[in-house]
Amino acid sequence: NAGVTQTPKFQVLKTGQSMTLQCAQDMNHEYMSWYRQDPGMGLRLIHYSVGAGITDQGEVPNGYNVSRSTTEDFPLRLLSAAPSQTSVYFCASRFFLTGGESPLHFGNGTRLTVT
Amino acid sequence: AQKITQTQPGMFVQEKEAVTLDCTYDTSDPSYGLFWYKQPSSGEMIFLIYQGSYDQQNATEGRYSLNFQKARKSANLVISASQLGDSAMYFCAMSSYFGNEKLTFGTGTRLTIIP
Repeated sequence: NAGVTQTPKFQVLKTGQSMTLQCAQDMNHEYMSWYRQDPGMGLRLIHYSVGAGITDQGEVPNGYNVSRSTTEDFPLRLLSAAPSQTSVYFCASRFFLTGGESPLHFGNGTRLTVT
Repeated sequence: AQKITQTQPGMFVQEKEAVTLDCTYDTSDPSYGLFWYKQPSSGEMIFLIYQGSYDQQNATEGRYSLNFQKARKSANLVISASQLGDSAMYFCAMSSYFGNEKLTFGTGTRLTIIP
């Protein structure tokens, strides 16, 4: 059971370059999300999706795009990388229950450095 | 808006002792959920325990229990008989039952177990 799979694990970009972080889950979760983790700031939500074709912004969406063409995949695109986007990125998914009690399942993270 | 506060940046505890990690929250939502996650040095996020705001009893999962005090808006994690493998970052998080698209995280507590 693969769970949530993120690729790549590590990436170094130059300022201005673009790239896509891949995320796939095999648990048939409706909800998928991207978080970034920075020292002393916990995890902050970038974008999320509650189903195929539906996406919305989290608290730090600037500089990132997402799309959700299938239930399984939720890629995160950096349009023009900036040093401020140096971070660890987590993809996470869960069942989208109205009660909100479903825990998030996380991928193993992508460590991104922008020089 | 939801807010999670973890006031202990770091803690050192002797092996086999019990440890309490503090978490206070602020929300105007009548129904919500509280979660704890563990992040070992390897970086993955591991779900530990969940407490619903209307649950009458405190949640327990093996050596983990959640000391939920609704009136004080606190949701402390208690780890009994600590082990060396408990050394990690611990994050408290909450979701709302209404508009539950987002899981709000605290800044975390780094727990170190001393042999």
